[in-house]
Amino acid sequence: AQSVSQHNHHVILSEAASLELGCNYSYGGTVNLFWYVQYPGQHLQLLLKYFSGDPLVKGIKGFEAEFIKSKFSFNLRKPSVQWSDTAEYFCAVNAQDTGRRALTFGSGTRLQVQP
Amino acid sequence: EAQVTQNPRYLITVTGKKLTVTCSQNMNHEYMSWYRQDPGLGLRQIYYSMNVEVTDKGDVPEGYKVSRKEKRNFPLILESPSPNQTSLYFCASSARTGGVNLAWETQYFGPGTRLLVL
Repeated sequence: AQSVSQHNHHVILSEAASLELGCNYSYGGTVNLFWYVQYPGQHLQLLLKYFSGDPLVKGIKGFEAEFIKSKFSFNLRKPSVQWSDTAEYFCAVNAQDTGRRALTFGSGTRLQVQP
Repeated sequence: EAQVTQNPRYLITVTGKKLTVTCSQNMNHEYMSWYRQDPGLGLRQIYYSMNVEVTDKGDVPEGYKVSRKEKRNFPLILESPSPNQTSLYFCASSARTGGVNLAWETQYFGPGTRLLVL
């Protein structure tokens, strides 16, 4: 079974700082990868996803993520964070070739952006 | 408006009293799923359904049941709730894409149901 690790549980940044949140997964086969965001009091929303092709994926609100297959990683980045990016961020993976549509989430990273 | 709705949004109950949390989507999605969210554990998938009458276990199915008699509805049933099922529950749905690799589309999440079992 696949698993997902997000090593940064709580990140505090000042506005305009650059962001990188780590995500590593454990599955040797083909995967679909996702980053979701949960703003305070709101639903989860999809930030970006990777299915195949260009390993550098651009999402909404200036976020991007890079899939590095050799490192089993899918780190989320943003060059300059804003106070409105304060939220919890979840990485998720689906093992594409198992035939199951189970989606495994990481434990989440709480981002706090200080003005 | 495309949406996933859940009811109730908040529920306090006692151990052993059967309850059902409803989930409904108006996007004609084939795929629906239930998750629970707990501090430090993120979201864990309970059950999912790939279409009407087709359901499968996620990572934490113990103590839960589901049914998918209609495409739009996917209720979560706790036959005998226990305090360790106190959690925030999310329902989600997505369309099914074609192709042999069963690629995913974006999941749309409901607003969540906060359950407290005493």
